[in-house]
Amino acid sequence: DSGVTQTPKHLITATGQRVTLRCSPRSGDLSVYWYQQSLDQGLQFLIQYYNGEERAKGNILERFSAQQFPDLHSELNLSSLELGDSALYFCASSLSLSGSRQETQYFGPGTRLLVL
Amino acid sequence: DAKTTQPNSMESNEEEPVHLPCNHSTISGTDYIHWYRQLPSQGPEYVIHGLTSNVNNRMASLAIAEDRKSSTLILHRATLRDAAVYYCILRLARDNTDKLIFGTGTRLQVFP
Repeated sequence: DSGVTQTPKHLITATGQRVTLRCSPRSGDLSVYWYQQSLDQGLQFLIQYYNGEERAKGNILERFSAQQFPDLHSELNLSSLELGDSALYFCASSLSLSGSRQETQYFGPGTRLLVL
Repeated sequence: DAKTTQPNSMESNEEEPVHLPCNHSTISGTDYIHWYRQLPSQGPEYVIHGLTSNVNNRMASLAIAEDRKSSTLILHRATLRDAAVYYCILRLARDNTDKLIFGTGTRLQVFP
C-alpha cells in the first residue's frame, strides 16, 4: 500500500460526458502528479500540482483540467470525453523537496476509465 | 528528454538472478538513474535509484557503468511476484520539473 488513494476504481461513461477523478496523496506529501496509461501511448505525465499551485504540465489535453485543494487532495476533470480517452489514470505524490532528483514518487492504484 | 533503451522482454526462472539492462548514452553528469516497476493491475512502484556508485536496497541492486552510459538492475533471486514491467528512468539535471518520463520498459516473466 503506497498510501495514495484514488477514487473511483472503475468508471464507465459515454462519449461527450464529463467525469472527475479524485486523488488523496500520502500524508505529508505536497506534490500530486497525474499520469495516463493507454495501450498505444504507454505511461504519460499529464500535470503536477505542488501545494495548490500548478508546477508542470505535460501532454494534457485542453479538455482535461486539474486542481489541488487546500487539504492537498487533487481532482482531474475530463470533459467532452472521446473513445480514445479510455485509459488508466494514475495519481502519484511526493514530498517535492525543491530541486531534488532523488525523490521517490508514490503511485496510487489508478482509475480505469472506459468511454463507450 | 533523455532517452533510455531497454529490451522489450526478458525471462527468468524462479530463484535465479535477473539482470535487467538499460542504456542511457546521452546521460549528463548529474542526471540520476531511477528504476520503477509496475506489477500487473497496479500502479508503478519505486525500486531503486543511483548516480555513480552501485546501490543496494532490500528490493534490488543497481550497477552503474563507469562511464554511466548504461546500468543494470539486479534482482538477486527472482520470485513469481517480481513478474512486472521494469522502467529505467533518467531524472535530468536540466529538467526543473519533477515529472517521470516512462519509456516502454522491460516486461519480465518469471517461471516456476
